[in-house]
Amino acid sequence: KQEVTQIPAALSVPEGENLVLNCSFTDSAIYNLQWFRQDPGKGLTSLLLIQSSQREQTSGRLNASLDKSSGRSTLYIAASQPGDSATYLCGRGSEKLVFGKGTKLTVNP
Amino acid sequence: GAVVSQHPSWVICKSGTSVKIECRSLDFQATTMFWYRQFPKQSLMLMATSNEGSKATYEQGVEKDKFLINHASLTLSTLTVTSAHPEDSSFYICSANRDRGTREQYFGPGTRLTVT
Repeated sequence: KQEVTQIPAALSVPEGENLVLNCSFTDSAIYNLQWFRQDPGKGLTSLLLIQSSQREQTSGRLNASLDKSSGRSTLYIAASQPGDSATYLCGRGSEKLVFGKGTKLTVNP
Repeated sequence: GAVVSQHPSWVICKSGTSVKIECRSLDFQATTMFWYRQFPKQSLMLMATSNEGSKATYEQGVEKDKFLINHASLTLSTLTVTSAHPEDSSFYICSANRDRGTREQYFGPGTRLTVT
C-alpha cells in the first residue's frame, strides 16, 4: 500500500529565507507527484505537477524535484514571503492521489 | 485555468438526515471525479472514484450505502451522506482531471459538513 510521508510537520521561518519541504513515498511505480497548497478551511491549490517521466518542475519561486529511485520529492521555496504561509501537501498517484499529512509553513514578517 | 466548484461550501444538519454535496467541473468535462474526506489536522483520504454513467468505486472501509455517489453528467458529481451521524462531520473535497495526458488533478474548494 502506497504511503506518503512529509517532513517536517511544521516549519516556521523568517521572511526572505529559502526553505525545503520534503515528501517521501514507499513505491517506485510510474506515478505523478503533485504539490499543493491548502489555506485554512479551503480546498487545495495545485502548485506543481511532476510527471513520472520528469525529474523537476519550476514555477516562479517554487521548484519541485522527483527522485523515484530514492522515493523522495522536495519542494524548494525561494525568498519566502508571509503570503506563503499555508499547509503544503504532496500527493502521489496516477489520478487518485495518496497524500501526506502536510507541512504547515509559517513565514514571519 | 481549470476550475472545480463545490456546493454548498458549508452545511449543518441534524443526525439522521441526509445531505447532498455537488461537485462541478466548470470549464471542462470530467468522466472521472474523486471524493476525499479530511478530518482536522489530518491528510486527505480518498473515499471513492465517481465514474460518469456507471457505478462509483469505493475505497476499502467506505460504506457505499451511506455515501451515495451519482455522476449523471460529464460536469457534475454528487455525494449524498445518508443518515448522517456526528462522526461524519468532516471536510469533503472533490477533484477532477482536466488533462488526460498529464492527469493533473484540480480540486474543489471543499464542503464543511457539521452534523449535530
